[in-house]
Formats: sequence, structure tokens, C-alpha cells
Amino acid sequence: EVQLVETGGGLVQPGRSLKLSCVASGFTFNNYWMSWTRQAPGKGLEWVASITNSGGSTYYPDSVKGRFTISRDNAQNTLYLQMNSLRSEDTATYYCTSGGQSPFDYWGQGVMVTVSS
Amino acid sequence: DVVLTQTPPTSSATIGQSVSISCRSSQSLLDSDGNTYLYWYLQRPSQSPQLLIYLVSKLGSGVPNRFSGSGSGTDFTLKISGVEAEDLGVYYCVQGTHDPYTFGAGTKLELK
Repeated sequence: EVQLVETGGGLVQPGRSLKLSCVASGFTFNNYWMSWTRQAPGKGLEWVASITNSGGSTYYPDSVKGRFTISRDNAQNTLYLQMNSLRSEDTATYYCTSGGQSPFDYWGQGVMVTVSS
Repeated sequence: DVVLTQTPPTSSATIGQSVSISCRSSQSLLDSDGNTYLYWYLQRPSQSPQLLIYLVSKLGSGVPNRFSGSGSGTDFTLKISGVEAEDLGVYYCVQGTHDPYTFGAGTKLELK
């Protein structure tokens, strides 16, 4: 059974940093692209970042490019999202997702990030 | 960015009724490799989203065959043939043909 467990969320002040982690199990982690998506309270879904299975390439939308960094440790089956220069509009539930048939085949339970002073 | 417009925003159905959800794209989603990277996901209340359909019409793993997807170019449809209680929630279409990935605003399926 595929499991994706996110940790690292919390309350952070604008302009500060936060790092999310996602531990994966139940599949061969290093065979799949991984991504982060987010959902602001009461809103729809937004793609945040993707990384190839080797970690050699990363992709971001303009809304987070230059502020967020996705990375992975295939030896530890762990995905990361380093978030810098956080803004109030980054407040959301962040989901770790695994690729395969689609960019987002499986989703974690999500972790809440609140950016507020 | 590609804009995906879902209609209706809300759909009310009785158990057993068939429903359709439309997803229209601001650009053709036919890729130069011949694939159309259009997906459908369901987010049940207080749950994480789950994959239903990939590449327009292919059923995700373990997805019941009452779900079906169709369409091409800019117009796509998700059909549920015989709604069950577990189908209630918000449906999202997503495109992966053009960078960045974009999501529709969602269609909420409610019980009538």
C-alpha cells in the first residue's frame, strides 16, 4: 500500500522559512517523479513543484520559483520542500504526491502551513 | 497559463442518477507526442484527492467502471453512470500538456 506522510508544517511569520518532509513507502520511490501541490483554505488545488525520479531536474510555477526548492533523498525514501521568503498567500495545506499514470497518482494526508505575523 | 473551466460548479444528484461534468481548456491539450494529458481527480469531504482518470479516458487503478472520461482538444467530460454515496465530493480536471500544470476550479457533487 502506497503511503505518503508529510511533516514539518506550522505557523511561520512572513519572510521566514520552513521545510516540509514527506516519507514514502509501499512503492519503489526512486522510480517515480514526485511533486508537491497545495490547497489554500476553502480553495482549489495548485501545483507547487515537481522533481524527476533521479532528482536531476526540478520544475516550479512562477508563483514559487526562486523561493521554493524541491529535493529528494532516494536512499531515505524522502521528499522535501524548502520554502523561503514565505508570504501570506502561501498559507495552505501542502500535499506530497507521487507520479505514475498521472503527475499526482497518490496523495499524502497533507500538512498545514500558516504564514502570519 | 492554460485555464480549465469546469461546469457546472455544483451538481445535485440522486443515488443511481447519471451525471456529467465538463472541463474546457483555453488551449488544445493535444501534445506533440500524440497524447492528451488531461486528468480527473476526486476529493471527498475532508480527504486528500485521488486519481480517477488519466490520459482523458483511462481508468486509474481501482477506480470503478461507472466512471468514464471522454473528449479531445479543448473539450472534455467526466461521466458517472449511476452515482453512489461515496462519489460525493469535489471533482477536479487537471492538464499536464502545457507548463505549468493547472487545475480546474472544481465541481462539487452533492446529494439532491
